[in-house]
Amino acid sequence: DVKVTQSSRYLVKRTGEKVFLECVQDMDHENMFWYRQDPGLGLRLIYFSYDVKMKEKGDIPEGYSVSREKKERFSLILESASTNQTSMYLCASSSSGGGSPELFFGEGSRLTVL
Amino acid sequence: GQNIDQPTEMTATEGAIVQINCTYQTSGFNGLFWYQQHAGEAPTFLSYNVLDGLEEKGRFSSFLSRSKGYSYLLLKELQMKDSASYLCAVRGLRGGATNKLIFGTGTLLAVQP
Repeated sequence: DVKVTQSSRYLVKRTGEKVFLECVQDMDHENMFWYRQDPGLGLRLIYFSYDVKMKEKGDIPEGYSVSREKKERFSLILESASTNQTSMYLCASSSSGGGSPELFFGEGSRLTVL
Repeated sequence: GQNIDQPTEMTATEGAIVQINCTYQTSGFNGLFWYQQHAGEAPTFLSYNVLDGLEEKGRFSSFLSRSKGYSYLLLKELQMKDSASYLCAVRGLRGGATNKLIFGTGTLLAVQP
């Protein structure tokens, strides 16, 4: 069964803390994505990566960075968390090859910044 | 710019048929996806259209018209478990960095007895 695993389902952090959200996929997918989901705004793309060590900014990259040192792992980093980064964060992966084109999502990480 | 529009909320009756519309304006097009998301859960894939026409998969069907920038998701024989958000998403141009999906804000469907 295909799987995208996010390291934490729930996190509570304080303003100014550094936050790491980890995502691992076991499908050998080339593409990986980080979205945040907020009521009334839907899923918004933060960053994505289409290969190891490659990254591209999405629609709302400010305040975030990412790391992809291995194909299966894509990390989202909040260098200095702020209250407006309280949100549900969803990691996803997809294949660039001839296989099924859809995104597979992890369970999500709900981050609260106090 | 890029824009995906779908109704915010819909209500339907158990056993009935409901159609959820999606219109889009995007820079490049390489497929349209529909996802289902139950409250507190991750989105799950329902359908994918890249050519014009209707794709049927059990109780769910999805239609695409690329010239009109329009799609709909049709749910038949509604069940209570179909109460969820339905997300329309468009993929940009083929290849590399443009494999990303842009999502609409979702349609919250409530199925009533």
